[in-house]
Amino acid sequence: GAGVSQSPSNKVTEKGKDVELRCDPISGHTALYWYRQSLGQGLEFLIYFQGNSAPDKSGLPSDRFSAERTGGSVSTLTIQRTQQEDSAVYLCASSLELAAEYEQYFGPGTRLTVT
Amino acid sequence: AQTVTQSQPEMSVQEAETVTLSCTYDTSESNYYLFWYKQPPSRQMILVIRQEAYKQQNATENRFSVNFQKAAKSFSLKISDSQLGDTAMYFCAFTDAGGTSYGKLTFGQGTILTVHP
Repeated sequence: GAGVSQSPSNKVTEKGKDVELRCDPISGHTALYWYRQSLGQGLEFLIYFQGNSAPDKSGLPSDRFSAERTGGSVSTLTIQRTQQEDSAVYLCASSLELAAEYEQYFGPGTRLTVT
Repeated sequence: AQTVTQSQPEMSVQEAETVTLSCTYDTSESNYYLFWYKQPPSRQMILVIRQEAYKQQNATENRFSVNFQKAAKSFSLKISDSQLGDTAMYFCAFTDAGGTSYGKLTFGQGTILTVHP
């Protein structure tokens, strides 16, 4: 079956603009995770969803970041008023259930460049 | 908070030889999972192998095996008979098996492995 997909693959935006990053998880996976990969911070966890609910938003770097998930499927990560430090690869992963023993399957990521 | 440390930014190996990547971690949890992920230039993170902390036997997946030393909080990855396709960034990762981690992964800084023909 299809794996996790993310769009766009690459995004270049001007500082101050808003961007939306999309993640399509594997069908039937109830858990969804967002991670950020940057040169300065390495790979860091941002947020997770169980169904459409995101109980813990403490991993989001600032209040300019928000995420939602609809229909227990597609998730969107929105960054408002982008800054140069937001430049990174944003990775999405899904797993069958929200628990450590379930493998997370990653998408190819969205490379965001803020100019 | 858990931390994961990979002290080798880059490693290289000749094709068909064996290489070991190092990883140490710090946690106060008693039950957890450790992983090695591979990230080739395509950016797609792929799970290579995983280890459950309560299992004493080291995990093995074909040419990949781990040396899990729980007391020393060490989790190294051994790649035998290295192949050109093993060239990638390798990440060591940790997740708490219970509590409120909900499977979220903490990653090391990564090790770039280059396999030379």
